[in-house]
Amino acid sequence: QVQLQESSPGLVKPSETLSLTCTVSGYSIKNGFYWGWIRQPPGKGLELIGSVYYTGSSYYNPSLKSRVAISMATSSNQISLQLQSVTAADTAVYYCARLHGIMGTKIDFWGQGILVPVSS
Amino acid sequence: DIQMTQSPASLSASVGDRVTITCRSSQYISTFLNWYKLKPGEAPNLLISAASNLQPGVSSRFGGSGSGTEFTLTITSLQPEDFATYYCQQAYSNPLTFGGGTKVDIK
Repeated sequence: QVQLQESSPGLVKPSETLSLTCTVSGYSIKNGFYWGWIRQPPGKGLELIGSVYYTGSSYYNPSLKSRVAISMATSSNQISLQLQSVTAADTAVYYCARLHGIMGTKIDFWGQGILVPVSS
Repeated sequence: DIQMTQSPASLSASVGDRVTITCRSSQYISTFLNWYKLKPGEAPNLLISAASNLQPGVSSRFGGSGSGTEFTLTITSLQPEDFATYYCQQAYSNPLTFGGGTKVDIK
């Protein structure tokens, strides 16, 4: 069974860079699929941040593209997210996930999510 | 971006009730529509893909239908573990987008 676990960066201050890591178990990320990040601000809906394939191919939501980088470390089976110049609006539960399919993409495995507050 | 609109935003129901949630897209998405269940502190769960395909391990009391721009998630006999928030997601074009969610709570 594929499992994903996000790591906690703790409190992030405005204008700083939010960094998250997700450790995948039960599947080798270099064997395929896109792996990505989704977030949910308090009281709001879900938003895809972006995703990456082991070849380096990536997709970022245009609304965040200028501030986001997602990378993979196949040796440690981890996916990382960096979000620059954060504001309070970036406070959210951040989920890492596996994206299945290019057309008709479904998100078939998710982490439990981690709340990242942005505050001074 | 394709906008997804769910209704109702919340509903109260009892164990054993039949529940129907609607999801509408701002443009045609064929059957590229997935449904998820979210509970606080738990990993979200994919229930249905491609509008009507029940995922392995998901109870048959969940059903999905629709195509084009209007879709429905039905729970035929609500169980205690079904009290949660449900989201639709379009998979027709990037960026993938989600509905605003429907919270199902106990009456």
